[in-house]
Amino acid sequence: GAVVSQHPSWVICKSGTSVKIECRSLDFQATTMFWYRQFPKQSLMLMATSNEGSKATYEQGVEKDKFLINHASLTLSTLTVTSAHPEDSSFYICSARDRAGEKDEQFFGPGTRLTVL
Amino acid sequence: AQKVTQAQTEISVVEKEDVTLDCVYETRDTTYYLFWYKQPPSGELVFLIRRNSFDEQNEISGRYSWNFQKSTSSFNFTITASQVVDSAVYFCALSVWSGGGADGLTFGKGTHLIIQP
Repeated sequence: GAVVSQHPSWVICKSGTSVKIECRSLDFQATTMFWYRQFPKQSLMLMATSNEGSKATYEQGVEKDKFLINHASLTLSTLTVTSAHPEDSSFYICSARDRAGEKDEQFFGPGTRLTVL
Repeated sequence: AQKVTQAQTEISVVEKEDVTLDCVYETRDTTYYLFWYKQPPSGELVFLIRRNSFDEQNEISGRYSWNFQKSTSSFNFTITASQVVDSAVYFCALSVWSGGGADGLTFGKGTHLIIQP
């Protein structure tokens, strides 16, 4: 099946720093990727839809200036958490959409655990 | 807007018992997908099933079975002869078709399933 990777798998940073998380589709091209956030013992919440070559679409309540998304190629989307604070500590998961041929499937990455001290 | 409700926050059963996880969804769209995912303590989502809104056939895969009923907007998941390895958080999710493809997923709050030996 299709594989989506995320890097790093975990990161610890100091408050005020920026952190970049990468999401890659390894064996297919993804014009669309999605970013989710999951706080401890809670559900996954869609943050934004990332489209290759265009601006991301953010869900209501998600600060676009804080969570910068860049989808510069058909296999890579990045999420940068700018000026991270402890309340940004969360599990960030991406998914990539494979629409080759007649398909329309989404595959999730393994997630990135962010801890802001 | 879409909504997915998993009313059971936590279920605890003894091994070998059958258990059903409930999922009720809301959407005004006529074309959509329903999903179930398993999330073990590692955090990585494990895909279990995807159903589109035009396919109401029930599905069985080994000890797992799913009951999709559009009349009650439900998509319930049953594990037969449960095993300790089934212990995890299970999420039901919904994705609507927006013309350009399936949108990002709306997740329920999840059901924490505990299988006691």
